[in-house]
Amino acid sequence: GENVEQHPSTLSVQEGDSAVIKCTYSDSASNYFPWYKQELGKGPQLIIDIRSNVGEKKDQRIAVTLNKTAKHFSLHITETQPEDSAVYFCAASQYDKVIFGPGTSLSVIP
Amino acid sequence: EAQVTQNPRYLITVTGKKLTVTCSQNMNHEYMSWYRQDPGLGLRQIYYSMNVEVTDKGDVPEGYKVSRKEKRNFPLILESPSPNQTSLYFCASSSASGGNYEQYFGPGTRLTVT
Repeated sequence: GENVEQHPSTLSVQEGDSAVIKCTYSDSASNYFPWYKQELGKGPQLIIDIRSNVGEKKDQRIAVTLNKTAKHFSLHITETQPEDSAVYFCAASQYDKVIFGPGTSLSVIP
Repeated sequence: EAQVTQNPRYLITVTGKKLTVTCSQNMNHEYMSWYRQDPGLGLRQIYYSMNVEVTDKGDVPEGYKVSRKEKRNFPLILESPSPNQTSLYFCASSSASGGNYEQYFGPGTRLTVT
C-alpha cells in the first residue's frame, strides 16, 4: 500500500543552525504534501504545505521543496530557535486518504 | 473560537467493553478524520468522512466504527476494545471536501485498554 518514509527519526541542532527533514512517498498520484508540527501534549498543527504543481515554497524561516520525479520532499528550517523543538510529521495525500510519515523529533539546543 | 473538541481526553477501560470517543467541530467543515498515533509509527488514518452520511476506511479500520449523521460530529466507536487499541487518538477536520487541504486537529484522547 501507500507509504511515506521520513528521516531522520531524531535530530539535534544548535540554536541558530539549520535543520533538514526528508520524506519519500510511494503513491505517484499524491498531489498534496503538508508538514505538521506537534508540541508535547497537543495535536499536530500545519506549518507549511506544497502542491504537486510547485517545486518550492517558503514562509519566513521555513521552506519546503518537492521533487515529484524522485518522489521526495523536504522541510528546511533556518536559524532554529528553542521553540522549534517538537515532533514534525510529513504527509502525502491524493484526495481523500492522507498518509503520514513516522515523525522526526527535533531538539534545538540553546 | 474555531476548534475541534474530543471527549474524553483520557480513558482507561477493560477488554470488550464498548466505548465511544466523541469529536465535534464548530467550523462547518465537510471533511473529518480519525487517526491513531503510536510511537515510531506516526499518525495512521482509521476512518474518514467526506460529508454527512459519507464515510470510508483509512489504513487501519479494523476494530473501529464511525458514523456521520451531522456535519459537526464524527464519533469513533470501539465495539469490543482490545489491548492493541491502546493508543493516542486524534480527530481532525478540513474545510475542503477532501484530505488534501489543511487539517485542524483536536487535542487527542489517550485510551488504555487493559
